[in-house]
This record gives sequence, C-alpha cells and structure tokens, in this order.
Amino acid sequence: KQEVTQIPAALSVPEGENLVLNCSFTDSAIYNLQWFRQDPGKGLTSLLLIQSSQREQTSGRLNASLDKSSGRSTLYIAASQPGDSATYLCAGTGAGSYQLTFGKGTKLSVIP
Amino acid sequence: GAVVSQHPSWVICKSGTSVKIECRSLDFQATTMFWYRQFPKQSLMLMATSNEGSKATYEQGVEKDKFLINHASLTLSTLTVTSAHPEDSSFYICSASGRGLNEQYFGPGTRLTVT
Repeated sequence: KQEVTQIPAALSVPEGENLVLNCSFTDSAIYNLQWFRQDPGKGLTSLLLIQSSQREQTSGRLNASLDKSSGRSTLYIAASQPGDSATYLCAGTGAGSYQLTFGKGTKLSVIP
Repeated sequence: GAVVSQHPSWVICKSGTSVKIECRSLDFQATTMFWYRQFPKQSLMLMATSNEGSKATYEQGVEKDKFLINHASLTLSTLTVTSAHPEDSSFYICSASGRGLNEQYFGPGTRLTVT
C-alpha cells in the first residue's frame, strides 16, 4: 500500500526566503504527482500537476520536480510571501488509476 | 478550469440523525467522484470512489451502510452520514473527474459537527 511522507511537518521562514518542501513515496511507481495548497478550514487548491511523462512543472514562483527512480518530489517556493502561509499537500496516483494518496502535509508559515 | 461545489459548507447535527452532503460538478460531466475525510491535522483519507450509475467502491474500514453514496447523474453525487455520532465529526471533501480530464477537481469541503 502506497504511503506518502512529507518533511518537514511544519516550517517557519522569514518573508523573502526561498524554501523547499519534500515528499516521498514508499512505492516509486507513481503515475501522476500533484501538489496542493490548503488554507485553514478550506478545500484544496491544485498548484502543480506533474504527469507521467514529465519531471517538473513551474508556475510563477513555484517549481515542483519528481524523481520517479527514488520516489521523491520537491516543491520549491521562491521569494516567499506571507500569503504563501498554508498547508501544502502532495499526492500521487498509480498507473491507470485516478485514486490519489495524500501525505499529511507541511504547514508553512511565512513571517513578515 | 473545472469547478466542483459542495453543499452545505458546514452543518451541525445531533447524534443519531442523518446528514446529506451534495457534491456537484458545475461545468463538466463527472464520470467518477471521490469522497474524502480529513480529521484535524491529518491528511485526506479516501472513503469511497463512485462511478456514475454504479455502486460506490468503499475503502477498507469505511462502513458502507453508514456512509451512503449515490452518484445518480453525471453532475451530482451525495454522501449521507446515517445515524451520525460525534466521532463522525470531520471535514468531508469530494472531488470529481471526467472524460478527457487528467486530474481530480476538488470541492471546497463540508465541515460536519455532530453534537
């Protein structure tokens, strides 16, 4: 059974700092890898989707990469802002399946 | 992008009563819908997967007689929590996917509190 680990569980950084969030899977046979943002008490906002044939995706100050051989993904946030404060979740699907397996998330706090 | 709504956004009910949560795809046909549950400071746990017109597939440990899922149309799925108890208090999130879509689209979630 696929298990997803996110490190660190919580992170506090000063505004303007670059940071990296990590995600690892016990089963490296990941098909799609997705990063989400969740604000307190809210649903999920999809940030980046790395499809099976891709290794990374970029959107603005966000860059996500996936190393299938090691079953690891990273989310890089450049020039962090207080508005980036949220919980970031990674999730993956297996081949031929829509089912997403989620990590517990990393709670990010960006201090002004 | 594809939009999914949930109703209600929050609900408080008394122990022993039943609660229905709706999940709608607003601008696409959702051939598959998923229901997740999230406890505080925990990740999303998949409860069940439903395909339009067929019975839902429940994950291990999820009581299908307690959590009734109906996916009768391509734009609507409902989750009914029957005989709710305080331990059912949680954040319930649905997602949907359809033909030609390569990812799930998530609803805003429903906060259920059972007193």
